[in-house]
Formats: sequence, structure tokens, C-alpha cells
Amino acid sequence: DTAVSQTPKYLVTQMGNDKSIKCEQNLGHDTMYWYKQDSKKFLKIMFSYNNKELIINETVPNRFSPKSPDKAHLNLHINSLELGDSAVYFCASSPGPSNSPLHFGNGTRLTVT
Amino acid sequence: AQSVAQPEDQVNVAEGNPLTVKCTYSVSGNPYLFWYVQYPNRGLQFLLKYITGDNLVKGSYGFEAEFNKSQTSFHLKKPSALVSDSALYFCAVRGSSNTGKLIFGQGTTLQVKP
Repeated sequence: DTAVSQTPKYLVTQMGNDKSIKCEQNLGHDTMYWYKQDSKKFLKIMFSYNNKELIINETVPNRFSPKSPDKAHLNLHINSLELGDSAVYFCASSPGPSNSPLHFGNGTRLTVT
Repeated sequence: AQSVAQPEDQVNVAEGNPLTVKCTYSVSGNPYLFWYVQYPNRGLQFLLKYITGDNLVKGSYGFEAEFNKSQTSFHLKKPSALVSDSALYFCAVRGSSNTGKLIFGQGTTLQVKP
């Protein structure tokens, strides 16, 4: 009974393509996030939504566009993929208040060739 | 601006020995501090948090962490390490006055040898 699930687990694609990663949480949380983990394992927040409203938008190229159709889903669409986009992308959720821990999905490993 | 530093890329300990993984932070206002663990090809798992109250916080799998306000540190500890504790550990901080952005340290690989 996965709490935060991401699909696909692996994504291999060529430069210039457009791809999407989907995320769903069944925890009833109000807030969802996208994090990027690079090859050195460094984690950086990309976006955060609270009840379908964008609340955090870090310095991310506008080729990346998050979409939250409802508070249980947060998808990430990436246009014109570049080699540097290769990374592991993690979705996470939290109840909302800043003292609550995040619950992470198992990640999507994106490889751009 | 808030930040987190984990000064050690890797910590090596023998099974049965105590372990410490170091973390220092910088944040405006009162800090909310967290430790997460990441096993290979998995997402991060929450271990413990400090919000307020006792400086010694106990968490999952026998881990604990000590909040030290004067040293702005939140070191992770365990009295007796297990080989299965070998993983990547992340310290993270949120400021109580911001939008709730969780900032992670660069991670410390813990290697426990039999």
C-alpha cells in the first residue's frame, strides 16, 4: 500500500524530447513537492504545491512545468530535455505545517542520451 | 538564507561501536530539524525531528539526535551500529517563519563494517 507513488521508475529518452513524471499520494496530505537529486546525491527542491496552489518555485528552467490536478496528484512535465536533466526526481508530500516530515516516493531515474 | 552542512562525506564505524553523523545549520528564527536515511534506489525515509522541547530526540531504528542551539548543531547518534545501518544520511532544516521549504545537507554515507 504505497503512500507516495511515482511513475515511471526509470525513464530513458533522447535530447529534445518531452516527457512527464506522475506522482500520487494516498496520505491525504495537503502539500506536495518535487525534488531533484543529482549524480552527487545532492537534493534540491524544485516546486511545492499546497492544495493545488503553487507555493514554492525555485530557480528552475521554464522547460519544467508542474501540474496539480488535485491535491493527491502532482505531475512534472519536462520539455526539450537536455543532458543535464539526467537525475533522480523525487516526489514527496506532507500534511502541510512546516514541522511535519516529508514522505518521499522511490524516485524516477531520468537518463537523457 | 538557511543552510545545512554535513562536514563528512563518509563515516566508517565497526559494527557494535557508537556512531555519530554530524550536522550544523543556519536558519532565521527557530529551526525545525530533521534526519532522513536513503537506501540504494529508494526514496528518503524519515528518522527523527526536533521541533521544540528536549534537546535529545529519539527516532526510528535506535537513532537519536542532540540539538545544540549554541553550536547550531543537530548530530545524529546511535549507541551501537549495525551493518544494516549502512546508508546515506541527510540532515535537513526548515525555518519556522518561512513557507516550509526543507533544505537538505549534502549527505553523509555511513559504512558499518562487520
